[in-house]
Amino acid sequence: NAGVMQNPRHLVRRRGQEARLRCSPMKGHSHVYWYRQLPEEGLKFMVYLQKENIIDESGMPKERFSAEFPKEGPSILRIQQVVRGDSAAYFCASSPNTEREKLFFGSGTQLSVL
Amino acid sequence: DAKTTQPTSMDCAEGRAANLPCNHSTISGNEYVYWYRQIHSQGPQYIIHGLKNNETNEMASLIITEDRKSSTLILPHATLRDTAVYYCIVRPFDAGNNRKLIWGLGTSLAVNP
Repeated sequence: NAGVMQNPRHLVRRRGQEARLRCSPMKGHSHVYWYRQLPEEGLKFMVYLQKENIIDESGMPKERFSAEFPKEGPSILRIQQVVRGDSAAYFCASSPNTEREKLFFGSGTQLSVL
Repeated sequence: DAKTTQPTSMDCAEGRAANLPCNHSTISGNEYVYWYRQIHSQGPQYIIHGLKNNETNEMASLIITEDRKSSTLILPHATLRDTAVYYCIVRPFDAGNNRKLIWGLGTSLAVNP
């Protein structure tokens, strides 16, 4: 049973470009979370999704950031018109059926904005 | 959610027990203590959790004081692969709380040969 898969592992973008980060949860998991980790800081919650629904996006910036978890395929975190401050590690986590259960994390995508 | 206090860093000799403390003096009755760790350049990994009884699994043991204001994660025989940042987190065991986890800076454990 493969774990949470994130790709790409590293992503370099120039200012103003778009970044698309993908996350495939563990098989059978229907809850997906995205977190951001800035250097020397703890993980910060961004968005929580279930299949085809955004449940909570309170941690995500209102502009330029969006997320989806379609019925088929991976969850996507999309950052439009990236700026240098978006440079960070972005982690995806999944849990089986409820929010009470422990989280399984992917290896993350390191986004670098030049 | 209650906040936790952990030492910034610790060292441990390979093969010895690593005891990582965590203070959570404002923990409330329905809050569990969770431990995750993050090896460099990887995502966090769940280790163990508990409410008030001591817990043990294949990775570690968790000792929670009787008043629940502090806990200790024990890695009985630390190896070099246990070098990581260890996060102690308290969270209520009901809906909505994976979003509310407060990830501090954790304890950076260095296991030395």
